[in-house]
Amino acid sequence: EAQVTQNPRYLITVTGKKLTVTCSQNMNHEYMSWYRQDPGLGLRQIYYSMNVEVTDKGDVPEGYKVSRKEKRNFPLILESPSPNQTSLYFCASSSARTYYEQYFGPGTRLTVT
Amino acid sequence: DQQVKQNSPSLSVQEGRISILNCDYTNSMFDYFLWYKKYPAEGPTFLISISSIKDKNEDGRFTVFLNKSAKHLSLHIVPSQPGDSAVYFCAASDHVNYFGNEKLTFGTGTRLTIIP
Repeated sequence: EAQVTQNPRYLITVTGKKLTVTCSQNMNHEYMSWYRQDPGLGLRQIYYSMNVEVTDKGDVPEGYKVSRKEKRNFPLILESPSPNQTSLYFCASSSARTYYEQYFGPGTRLTVT
Repeated sequence: DQQVKQNSPSLSVQEGRISILNCDYTNSMFDYFLWYKKYPAEGPTFLISISSIKDKNEDGRFTVFLNKSAKHLSLHIVPSQPGDSAVYFCAASDHVNYFGNEKLTFGTGTRLTIIP
């Protein structure tokens, strides 16, 4: 089954404790992206990757890091989480030919206290 | 600034009637528009799209209309069914080239409730 998986689905952590949210896709997609969803703000892009070892900032990259060492994986790293990073996070992937038809993971709800 | 706006946070429609969801945009460089549908505890799923060279695209019960002069698009669902109850996101792309950031700019979403 074609899918994007994210782990964990729910996470409660404390300020400053480094965490990683994993994302994996099994569709051999070139393009992967991370979004956060906040009330009244819709989905905003954090980082994106066009292919292995190619990443760049989206609209709200501050406080986040990413890496793309393998085509299927695109982890999101919060080196020192803060309460304003409490949000619902989505990973997405798409093929280079139809980048706009993005396949989203189920989401990770993160709470930073 | 919000380049893609969905001014109605929620909409309730009787089952069998037409649902019309609206979206406005400000960036005249947007050349591709999409609607995504999201159920609770799931990620958004692609629903339908339209290129700026068209003014209408139809897929079964779903039709998207684009009015470029008004910078407005709408999604029509006919007839509405209970399974259509979800949050709908409008999205737009100012696709530059293959090597640019093929980024989607999303609206804030409209929660559609279909009343049986």
